[in-house]
Amino acid sequence: DGGITQSPKYLFRKEGQNVTLSCEQNLNHDAMYWYRQDPGQGLRLIYYSQIVNDFQKGDIAEGYSVSREKKESFPLTVTSAQKNPTAFYLCASSMRLAGLAYNEQFFGPGTRLTVL
Amino acid sequence: GDSVTQMEGPVTLSEEAFLTINCTYTATGYPSLFWYVQYPGEGLQLLLKATKADDKGSNKGFEATYRKETTSFHLEKGSVQVSDSAVYFCALLNDYKLSFGAGTTVTVRA
Repeated sequence: DGGITQSPKYLFRKEGQNVTLSCEQNLNHDAMYWYRQDPGQGLRLIYYSQIVNDFQKGDIAEGYSVSREKKESFPLTVTSAQKNPTAFYLCASSMRLAGLAYNEQFFGPGTRLTVL
Repeated sequence: GDSVTQMEGPVTLSEEAFLTINCTYTATGYPSLFWYVQYPGEGLQLLLKATKADDKGSNKGFEATYRKETTSFHLEKGSVQVSDSAVYFCALLNDYKLSFGAGTTVTVRA
């Protein structure tokens, strides 16, 4: 079964600690994305990667870091510099079409991060 | 930049009622439009899509038509069920970037 997996489903962190969220896809998609979702709000883009070993900041990248060493993996690190990290984090992927165009994004099940 | 505005919720309906969620957008170029659905504690699932003007997306009894003249993509379902209770997001895709509305919470009562 093709899809996107995120782990863990729930994550608790003490203030001042870095934590890494996992995202893996076996859809052979070129692009991967990280979003943050807060209650009553739409999704906001943190980082995206269109190709291995390359990634770009999204709208709210401060306090986060990513890597893309393999096509199927795009881990997100929430650093201690992120002032308000408690949120639901969603990973997505999509297939590249011609030029700069991409197909629809498919989402993983999410990780809920709580800072204690 | 691109933006999506959708009807604020929450929306509460009785089973078999008609559902409409309004969505309008602002964008450059020729975006694709989507409706995603999110059940409690889960990720987003693609409900339907339309890639060009006048396209109608449909799935599971839901429909939406891409109206370029009114920059709208309203979601409709003729007869809702309790299982349709969820949060619905309208979204716009331009190149790689997906822009979301704030989401509309729909609750269907038996």
